Amino acid sequence: DIQMTQSPSTLSASVGDRVTITCRASQSINQWLAWFQQKPGEAPKLLLYEASTSKSGVPSRFSGSGFGTEFTLTISSLQPDDFATYYCQQYDSNFPWTFGQGTKVEIK
Amino acid sequence: QVQLQESGPGLVKPSETLSLTCVVSGYSISSGFHWGWIRQPPGKGLEWIGNVYHSGSTNYNPSLKSRVTISIDTSKNQFSLILSSVTAADTAIYYCVRGVDSWGQGTLVTISS
Repeated sequence: DIQMTQSPSTLSASVGDRVTITCRASQSINQWLAWFQQKPGEAPKLLLYEASTSKSGVPSRFSGSGFGTEFTLTISSLQPDDFATYYCQQYDSNFPWTFGQGTKVEIK
Repeated sequence: QVQLQESGPGLVKPSETLSLTCVVSGYSISSGFHWGWIRQPPGKGLEWIGNVYHSGSTNYNPSLKSRVTISIDTSKNQFSLILSSVTAADTAIYYCVRGVDSWGQGTLVTISS
């Protein structure tokens, strides 16, 4: 299985901060990485796919980069609505698909 | 816009079989995509269970493979999850998904006698 290591596990930040979350794959997944945002009591919502392509309607402050084994999710200016848990997921052709353990973004 | 809706019992007894169905609207499942199941134990992270391609081919998480069956019914535009010999560790919110882009709202399944 491809292991996804997400860091940090918890992140304390203030409104307006630039925030970066990292996801590392145990082997190359090319660009087959998605980022999700989950709020309490809700299903995860897709933010980005193919590492850097934003889903329609996602605010432009969310961006993604990376290829192969190293990926990042960046929130350019943290907004009150962004306090949530973020997950990466690899969906390479080698199954099973796997998730990172999540990053909780908290109010500082 | 595609919509997915899970349905099934919210309470299952230990050692019995969990069965869930996902009804899809707004998109024909025979047109493409992988259709899958993901679960999340209360307060924990996400676990990929498996998926079925529109052709009927399946892929499963090896940790669950001996107990899982995912099937597709194109005539009803729905797909299903069967998980056998459940234990308390299978208590979770179960989500049905299309590829990576669309999720159902999730359904809580509790394993308890």
